[in-house]
Amino acid sequence: AQSVSQHNHHVILSEAASLELGCNYSYGGTVNLFWYVQYPGQHLQLLLKYFSGDPLVKGIKGFEAEFIKSKFSFNLRKPSVQWSDTAEYFCAVTPWGTGGFKTIFGAGTRLFVKA
Amino acid sequence: EAGVTQFPSHSVIEKGQTVTLRCDPISGHDNLYWYRRVMGKEIKFLLHFVKESKQDESGMPNNRFLAERTGGTYSTLKVQPAELEDSGVYFCASSQTGGNQPQHFGDGTRLSIL
Repeated sequence: AQSVSQHNHHVILSEAASLELGCNYSYGGTVNLFWYVQYPGQHLQLLLKYFSGDPLVKGIKGFEAEFIKSKFSFNLRKPSVQWSDTAEYFCAVTPWGTGGFKTIFGAGTRLFVKA
Repeated sequence: EAGVTQFPSHSVIEKGQTVTLRCDPISGHDNLYWYRRVMGKEIKFLLHFVKESKQDESGMPNNRFLAERTGGTYSTLKVQPAELEDSGVYFCASSQTGGNQPQHFGDGTRLSIL
């Protein structure tokens, strides 16, 4: 079955530390890849997406993610986190050819940034 | 542009009762999706509408759940009768036509079954 695995459920960092959140998926075909973020008290927002082309994708607020097809991975990175990055982050995959646009989410990673 | 709106934001009902959740997608978005997140678990796909038609309902847990989108505008998700395991946050999302369109999410409805 198709699935998305996020490596860490909770991450605690100090401001200015670098961030990398791991994401792996299981599907052998073509996929669209996403990272969503949910800040406290807010709705899910799209952080960045990959459909095709350059596997290094830049999103909002200084985030980027790299698609490595051979590793079925789409890790999220940020060189220097801020207190305002405290949120829950979701990796998501939409497999092509599923007859629709069903999106499969990971379990989420809660990031807490200490000021 | 107004985002995806969901109503109510929070619903608390007793086991065996009926609850109806509503989702208003972004105007002009033909695709509408329902997802559910049970506490601490991943967000799981429930179903997908294209306009008023159900494109994919493979994620619906059982026949106590009924989703409709009459007229292809807003959608409702009814749970009847509600069971304890139905508690969670129900998200609605919408997107424009086309496979490469991102989904825009509502704030979710937190459903608590007592």
